[in-house]
Amino acid sequence: GAVVSQHPSRVICKSGTSVKIECRSLDFQATTMFWYRQFPKQSLMLMATSNEGSKATYEQGVEKDKFLINHASLTLSTLTVTSAHPEDSSFYICSARGVQGADTQYFGPGTRLTVL
Amino acid sequence: DQQVKQNSPSLSVQEGRISILNCDYTNSMFDYFLWYKKYPAEGPTFLISISSIKDKNEDGRFTVFLNKSAKHLSLHIVPSQPGDSAVYFCAASYTGFQKLVFGTGTRLLVSP
Repeated sequence: GAVVSQHPSRVICKSGTSVKIECRSLDFQATTMFWYRQFPKQSLMLMATSNEGSKATYEQGVEKDKFLINHASLTLSTLTVTSAHPEDSSFYICSARGVQGADTQYFGPGTRLTVL
Repeated sequence: DQQVKQNSPSLSVQEGRISILNCDYTNSMFDYFLWYKKYPAEGPTFLISISSIKDKNEDGRFTVFLNKSAKHLSLHIVPSQPGDSAVYFCAASYTGFQKLVFGTGTRLLVSP
């Protein structure tokens, strides 16, 4: 149990385009999902917390108009990187609060975004 | 301000021996701690957790120890296996705080 999927696993796009990444909890309902970004050889950086049916809460320094988050259902959250630039190239990972303890998060496999 | 620290960026251990990964925290409000394992280009996998009401939690080859007075926790893997080679992150949270605060990770290499 507690499986989280992400789609796509990797995407390459041109500068200026928008990219949508989906995060799904496959076997449990997730009222809260999180979006992280990981730079090479660095830790996970929390970008935003997404609660179902409400606006996402963004961490300091994260542009909410650039990284649009929608959590329309208890099993799906999406992250849209708008007007992508090469500096947005990164590894994006989502997680969902799961059944094994209220504070345990289960992570998706991540999405490698490359902006040309 | 790094509230969760993993001071050893890497650790090398021989197969069959014990691996000990350490983590220190500064926020005394933290009352729940987790360890995650991460392979390159994959999401972290939950390994084991511990609540502050305990000082030890064991799951198979993995044991987490918590020393609240020292604000220190450690993950013991015994016996270590080559498949354990990965980056290990500790994370902390507290009741009512939805987020996890991650350490910077320790890369474990278990050689045959």
